[in-house]
Amino acid sequence: QVQLQESGPGLVKPSQTLSLTCTVSGDSISSGGYYWSWIRQRPGKGLEWIGYIYYSGKSYFNPSLRSRLTMSVDKSENRFSLRLNSVTAADTAVYYCAKTLAVWGQGTTVTVSS
Amino acid sequence: QAVVTQESSLTVSPGGTVTLTCGSSTGAVTSGHYPHWLQQKPGQAPRTLIYDTTNKHPWTPARFSGSLLGGKAALTLSDAQPEDEADYYCLLSYSGARVFGGGTRLTVL
Repeated sequence: QVQLQESGPGLVKPSQTLSLTCTVSGDSISSGGYYWSWIRQRPGKGLEWIGYIYYSGKSYFNPSLRSRLTMSVDKSENRFSLRLNSVTAADTAVYYCAKTLAVWGQGTTVTVSS
Repeated sequence: QAVVTQESSLTVSPGGTVTLTCGSSTGAVTSGHYPHWLQQKPGQAPRTLIYDTTNKHPWTPARFSGSLLGGKAALTLSDAQPEDEADYYCLLSYSGARVFGGGTRLTVL
């Protein structure tokens, strides 16, 4: 059974970089044909698609975040990561990772505050 | 960036039928938008009920079905149950990029 677990700091200062990792268990991130997603949800708001990445490294990003966003895959550790730089309070959200959109992590709360 | 539109809220009686819709600012929604429907209950992560317009996951209750209807993607819930009260999100694909709708809050009352 595939499981995903987000990890990273719960508090990030404004203008700094938000870094999150999603560790995959029960499946290989290198298995072909699947993409690995990041989605977020601001407090009291709807879902926002951030982007996704294939194990090959090919990725698609939300245009509104593209200039600040990096994603990567670590095949040796079976995990994938997100880096969002120059964060502001508007980046405060619950961040979810997902295998395609079928299997989701439980989400991790990130607060941007000084 | 395209805008995906959903009803903000709907109410259905227990045992009743309701259809949620998902429109696109770029025109008619087609199978090429690979519509997904997700359900989210308070305090929980979302889960996908329908993908690629009509396909169900093993965990998708049979009372949920997806379709294209009048230029929109549609999620139909038949024989609504109290546990179906939740937020429902549509997601469309635009040449690889994805956009969520604003969500529909469904009340079973």
